[in-house]
Formats: sequence, C-alpha cells, structure tokens
Amino acid sequence: QITLKESGPTLVKPTQTLTLTCTFSGFSLSTSGVGVGWIRQPPGKALEWLALIYWNDDKRYSPSLKSRLTITKDTSKNQVVLTMTNMDPVDTATYYCAHRPPLGMSFDYWGQGTLVTVSS
Amino acid sequence: QSVLTQPPSVSAAPGQKVTISCSGSSSNIGNNYVSWYQQLPGTAPKLLIYDNNKRPSGIPDRFSGSKSGTSATLGITGLQTGDEADYYCGTWDSSLSAGSWVFGGGTKLTVL
Repeated sequence: QITLKESGPTLVKPTQTLTLTCTFSGFSLSTSGVGVGWIRQPPGKALEWLALIYWNDDKRYSPSLKSRLTITKDTSKNQVVLTMTNMDPVDTATYYCAHRPPLGMSFDYWGQGTLVTVSS
Repeated sequence: QSVLTQPPSVSAAPGQKVTISCSGSSSNIGNNYVSWYQQLPGTAPKLLIYDNNKRPSGIPDRFSGSKSGTSATLGITGLQTGDEADYYCGTWDSSLSAGSWVFGGGTKLTVL
C-alpha cells in the first residue's frame, strides 16, 4: 500500500532555510503521471498547496511562494525534498506531502504531517 | 482569501443530510476536476471524492459529489457523529501559465 512520511526540523529560526523530506513507499515516481505534492496548514487555518513534482521532473509552485520554494526528487531513494528559504513566523504550520495518482486530479494518499515552528 | 469559496460551517442532526458548496471560476472548477477531503480533528486530510463524483475504495456511498458550471457540492447523508470534521474542496487552477493547485477555505461540519 502507499505510504508517505514527512521528516525535517521541528523548529527553525526566522530567515533560515527549511528543508523537508518526504519518504514514500508503495509507488514509484518514475511511473508516468504520478506526482508528489506538498501542502501546509497553519494552526487552525485552511490547507495551502505549496508545490508539486511529476514523474517527468515537471515542477509546479504556488505563485505566491514560488520565489522561496524548490522541490526535487530522488527516484532511487523514493524521496521528494522541499526547501523553503527565508522562513518567517507566519510559515509556522503542519507540512504534509501527498501522492498524486497518475489519472485524475487529486491527492489520494497523505503523510501524517510534520509541525514546523518558526521562532527565534 | 481562498480562490475557492466554501461556507465556514454547516450543521445538521444525526441521520440527516447536509451539503457543502464550493464556488470557483472558469479557470478552476469550470474546467477541471474537483476533489473533496475530510480532515478529522488532529489528523491528516483524507480523500473523499475525486474527479467530481467518484469515491475511492472504502468511502461509503453516504458521501457524494457533484459539479455544475463553476460550483461543486459535497453531499453527506445519514449523518453520524463521526462525520464531524473539516471538509475541503480542491482543484487545479489554470489562470496562470504554469497553473496551480487550489483549496477552498474549509467547512466545519457539526453534527448536533
């Protein structure tokens, strides 16, 4: 079955760069149509999509955060990495990675999420 | 403000039916599939409906989805206390050249 798990620091300081890793199993990011996305959720607020990487290395970013985000994949390790520069307290959120199936438009499997707090 | 508009909250009694709306535009809902997610307190979102009206394996038929024009609707019948959760709609938005995924602001369902 498909599983995803996020890992990374739980606390970062303002202006630092956040690096999060999504380690997955049960699918391959070399399969045509498959993607892995990152979504975040500030405490008590709504979901916000951040980035998506496809099997063919096509990358899409949230227009409002594009200048701060980089998404990459390591197919051999079954990992997707998201970096976000210049972190600010407003970036405090639970960060999720999710599987995008090859057909249709959805995120059908989600990781458990990891809470990242930005504070000095 | 979210690109997709949902009511902040809805409520109904156990056993009753409730609908949650999701309003967008021609650049998102009007020309792309909609999916719906259920987020129980303290847990990750879970896919409920994809491609406007399809249910993943294991999702009961009490949950249904529909789309008309630039709006989509999630319906839940036979409400149970375990359905109390936040519900989000999502779709692709093609208004910018690269496109982007968008979510609604979420709707909190209370089962009275």
